[in-house]
Amino acid sequence: DADVTQTPRNRITKTGKRIMLECSQTKGHDRMYWYRQDPGLGLQLIYYSFDVKDINKGEISDGYSVSRQAQAKFSLSLESAIPNQTALYFCATSDLDRSNYGYTFGSGTRLTVV
Amino acid sequence: GDSVTQMEGPVTLSEEAFLTINCTYTATGYPSLFWYVQYPGEGLQLLLKATKADDKGSNKGFEATYRKETTSFHLEKGSVQVSDSAVYFCAPIRSGGSNYKLTFGKGTLLTVNP
Repeated sequence: DADVTQTPRNRITKTGKRIMLECSQTKGHDRMYWYRQDPGLGLQLIYYSFDVKDINKGEISDGYSVSRQAQAKFSLSLESAIPNQTALYFCATSDLDRSNYGYTFGSGTRLTVV
Repeated sequence: GDSVTQMEGPVTLSEEAFLTINCTYTATGYPSLFWYVQYPGEGLQLLLKATKADDKGSNKGFEATYRKETTSFHLEKGSVQVSDSAVYFCAPIRSGGSNYKLTFGKGTLLTVNP
């Protein structure tokens, strides 16, 4: 099994619908992140969580919300999807250990809003 | 705030050509530096890292040297292969305190032709 699992892998939804993207990890990491990737724009941080009780907005949080249900689970919701939220979404985790700053990424969820 | 500037792509090379992808950064404090790679249809993977000035990170034939005086971390490979075709991301991370997050460049698409 992958260290960071995202579901679904692909999703097509209609404008105005609520949708949830889920992320679970087996790394035992405290820190989890949601990123959005658009062609030519790199990765933009949506939300991040440094532990279960700590949730922070990233660069582009408008239109999104998150829930950290447990150390291993961090879900992203689009309350009312709009077409410009069509993108590739990545979940990532990282360790608090300062000798190991690297992030572990999931394989991504490709979301299309029509 | 922290920022990173990567060479814009796309970059197209023939197999066995020499590769350089430039990366410069501005970061508060003394950052650690990372290169991530994203193969088609996959999430990002850590390629290499350097945690202090003059360190050289290396992996899979790729190298990058942490140049504090020029705030650069250019990625190089002496002889690229078709399998190196991917998007490459430079990412500095500040080292001060515990509230750290990676800052990603916009990515450079590399295509290697046979």
